[in-house]
Amino acid sequence: GAVVSQHPSWVICKSGTSVKIECRSLDFQATTMFWYRQFPKQSLMLMATSNEGSKATYEQGVEKDKFLINHASLTLSTLTVTSAHPEDSSFYICSATLGQAGTEAFFGQGTRLTVV
Amino acid sequence: AQSVTQLDSQVPVFEEAPVELRCNYSSSVSVYLFWYVQYPNQGLQLLLKYLSGSTLVESINGFEAEFNKSQTSFHLRKPSVHISDTAEYFCAAQISGGYNKLIFGAGTRLAVHP
Repeated sequence: GAVVSQHPSWVICKSGTSVKIECRSLDFQATTMFWYRQFPKQSLMLMATSNEGSKATYEQGVEKDKFLINHASLTLSTLTVTSAHPEDSSFYICSATLGQAGTEAFFGQGTRLTVV
Repeated sequence: AQSVTQLDSQVPVFEEAPVELRCNYSSSVSVYLFWYVQYPNQGLQLLLKYLSGSTLVESINGFEAEFNKSQTSFHLRKPSVHISDTAEYFCAAQISGGYNKLIFGAGTRLAVHP
């Protein structure tokens, strides 16, 4: 299957700093990428839908200015957690699809963010 | 609003026993249904999916799921589990149209014991 690479796999940052997470589709072009947040022992919560060349679509309750998403090319989307606080500590996961309904979503390995 | 409900947060089972992981969805429109598996320290992987046609779908490692429209269910089953099946299992629904985003259930932790 297709490969989605997410980097870094884990990061520790100080409160107040910003952290960037990259999501790359390695062997296919992803028009649409999704960003999720997963709390311990809980499901994936969709944060936003990232579309190449346009603004991301955020889910209700997700702060746009806090979680900046950029989809600069068909193979790269980035999530920047700005002015991170301990409550932002979580597992962040990206996924990419080939676009058509019913097609498989391919997931990155996830990024464990710890804000101290 | 669309939602996916996984009724069991944890399912402990002995090796070689059968297992069923339950999933119900609510939607007023047609959906595509998926089961994803997350092994420890790994990303989510597609296990199987239902798009249309035969209501019984199978995976390559012995799992199967049956789409039941009248009960709005998509339960996952395996007749005989292995230790290696220990993982987190997520049921998901994709609403056609828009960006085809996935809505996930809360997940079921399958723990297979020797």
